Amino acid sequence: SQKIEQNSEALNIQEGKTATLTCNYTNYSPAYLQWYRQDPGRGPVFLLLIRENEKEKRKERLKVTFDTTLKQSLFHITASQPADSATYLCALPRMDSSYKLIFGSGTRLLVRP
Amino acid sequence: DTAVSQTPKYLVTQMGNDKSIKCEQNLGHDTMYWYKQDSKKFLKIMFSYNNKELIINETVPNRFSPKSPDKAHLNLHINSLELGDSAVYFCASSRATTNEKLFFGSGTQLSVL
Repeated sequence: SQKIEQNSEALNIQEGKTATLTCNYTNYSPAYLQWYRQDPGRGPVFLLLIRENEKEKRKERLKVTFDTTLKQSLFHITASQPADSATYLCALPRMDSSYKLIFGSGTRLLVRP
Repeated sequence: DTAVSQTPKYLVTQMGNDKSIKCEQNLGHDTMYWYKQDSKKFLKIMFSYNNKELIINETVPNRFSPKSPDKAHLNLHINSLELGDSAVYFCASSRATTNEKLFFGSGTQLSVL
């Protein structure tokens, strides 16, 4: 069956450092992968989408990589700030239907001032 | 202006009651969704509508009935509420059925006592 795995343990880093979050998936080769940010009590907010033919994508301080051989996406936040503290979710189309997304459970990022 | 708005934010009710959650989007999107986020924070698709037509009906008890009066609105009615229905329900929309770049509402925390 299809699985997405994100580190369930919180990532705790110092302000100014680079945060790196991991999303691993199995049994599938998705056409794209998405990253969302979720704050407590709020809905997820779309950040980036990377397609299978793209190795890397950037948006301001955010960078996403997509390694289809390793079946892994890395999400980087450079020069992290306390305001970046949130839960980050990865999502990809389901194996049984591209009309459905499967979400990871998210990794909580804490950036200390 | 809020892009995707859902009401109420909190819903506390007794087992066996019937309740509704309303959702509206002002983005001009064709596709709307209902997602459920459980206690382990996994987001799971429940329903999807495209231009008022149901296109995804995940394995959801028939006590849950979505209704889309027009493409900007998608409501969720739940009959005979059960303890296990307690979760956060999110409405979302996207430009097309491709599931790319979803816009989420802020969620409805449903607590069934």
